Amino acid sequence: AQKITQTQPGMFVQEKEAVTLDCTYDTSDPSYGLFWYKQPSSGEMIFLIYQGSYDQQNATEGRYSLNFQKARKSANLVISASQLGDSAMYFCAMREIQAAGNKLTFGGGTRVLVKP
Amino acid sequence: EAGVVQSPRYKIIEKKQPVAFWCNPISGHNTLYWYRQNLGQGPELLIRYENEEAVDDSQLPKDRFSAERLKGVDSTLKIQPAELGDSAVYLCASSAVGRQVSDTQYFGPGTRLTVL
Repeated sequence: AQKITQTQPGMFVQEKEAVTLDCTYDTSDPSYGLFWYKQPSSGEMIFLIYQGSYDQQNATEGRYSLNFQKARKSANLVISASQLGDSAMYFCAMREIQAAGNKLTFGGGTRVLVKP
Repeated sequence: EAGVVQSPRYKIIEKKQPVAFWCNPISGHNTLYWYRQNLGQGPELLIRYENEEAVDDSQLPKDRFSAERLKGVDSTLKIQPAELGDSAVYLCASSAVGRQVSDTQYFGPGTRLTVL
C-alpha cells in the first residue's frame, strides 16, 4: 500500500485564487510528521510547511496552510492568493519515527500551473 | 546562511562509465541524505548519514553504488558502472539532528544524470 497518496497529478488555478492540494497517508505509527515541499522547474525541493501528528492546531506559514484531519489521515495543503511563481510540483511527505526507520517518504506529487 | 550545495548540476555519461556527485550540507547539520528522483516521481532515499556513520543504506544498490562522508561534513555518491536506468536526479539533503519527527530536511538543487 502507498504510504503517501496524492490523487491530483495536475491542476490549473487562476492567479489570486486559492488552491487545495490533496494528500492522504497511511501509518500505524503514533508519532509522525507531515511535510510539504515545492519543486519548481529548477529542481530544488523547497520546504513549505510542517504538521506534527500531535499538533492540536493546523499549521500555517504565510500563504500556506495545512488542513490536517487526523482521523481521515489527510493533510491537504492550501495555497491562498495564488501567484505565477507558485507554478511548480508539490510533494507531500511523511516521516515516521518507528515504522520506517525515521526516513522521509514522498508522494507522487501534484503539478500546479497558475494562469494569469 | 548558505544552503545545501551540490555539484555538478548536470552530468551526461555513457553507460558503464563511472560518475560521482558531491554534496556540502548546511553548516552545523549533522545528518545528510542522498535521494534519487526518477522522472515524474517523488524522491526516494538512498542513504542517510549521521555524522560519518551510514545509519540507513538499505535502499542503496550496493553492487554499483557507494557513498562516503569521511569527516562528517561533505559527502560523495558514486556509481560504477552506470546503467541506463540510473538516469535520474540525485538530490542531497541535510537536517540539524535527524532523529526527531519534526526535523526538517533541506535540499540542494540536485544533479541531473543522463546515461546514454
